[in-house]
Amino acid sequence: NAGVTQTPKFRVLKTGQSMTLLCAQDMNHEYMYWYRQDPGMGLRLIHYSVGEGTTAKGEVPDGYNVSRLKKQNFLLGLESAAPSQTSVYFCASSSSEQFFGPGTRLTVL
Amino acid sequence: SQKIEQNSEALNIQEGKTATLTCNYTNYSPAYLQWYRQDPGRGPVFLLLIRENEKEKRKERLKVTFDTTLKQSLFHITASQPADSATYLCAPQTMRFGAGTRLTVKP
Repeated sequence: NAGVTQTPKFRVLKTGQSMTLLCAQDMNHEYMYWYRQDPGMGLRLIHYSVGEGTTAKGEVPDGYNVSRLKKQNFLLGLESAAPSQTSVYFCASSSSEQFFGPGTRLTVL
Repeated sequence: SQKIEQNSEALNIQEGKTATLTCNYTNYSPAYLQWYRQDPGRGPVFLLLIRENEKEKRKERLKVTFDTTLKQSLFHITASQPADSATYLCAPQTMRFGAGTRLTVKP
């Protein structure tokens, strides 16, 4: 079992560019989450999904969109990147406790 | 508003001593509380879950207490080792985490 995987691991964008972060899990979990982690701020929930075809907003959803077309995948999109979106992004899935991916380090110049 | 406070950003202790980390929360009434460990450059890893009807839970050298009246959880690592050095996060709600306490255990 690979658990939770994230691609890419690193990315540098220019302001205004778009990109999609991919999260995949092989544990058949219904729940999936996207967080961002900034120094001193801890993990903050961006969006989450309680099952295939469903998504919901978290604490900091502005500037991001998500899709859950397949149960095992949860995509996070940035339509027009801003420097404030420079962060480390973590995906997680859960049945009870959460299993996290290795993270994507995104820099927006 | 809901708040999660972990006692300090950083805690330094000597090897062999007991580390005690604090998690206080306000405006939550969690049915359970979780603790996670995060190493630099990696995602958090689940350690323990304690339910509201459990006062204490143990796993090897780890012990967690949960006081729903004080709205506080304590996380203890006994006989600490340098390998225990990491950031520890509490989560009184599934999708809400504290900022974490960075523990350094010195040999």
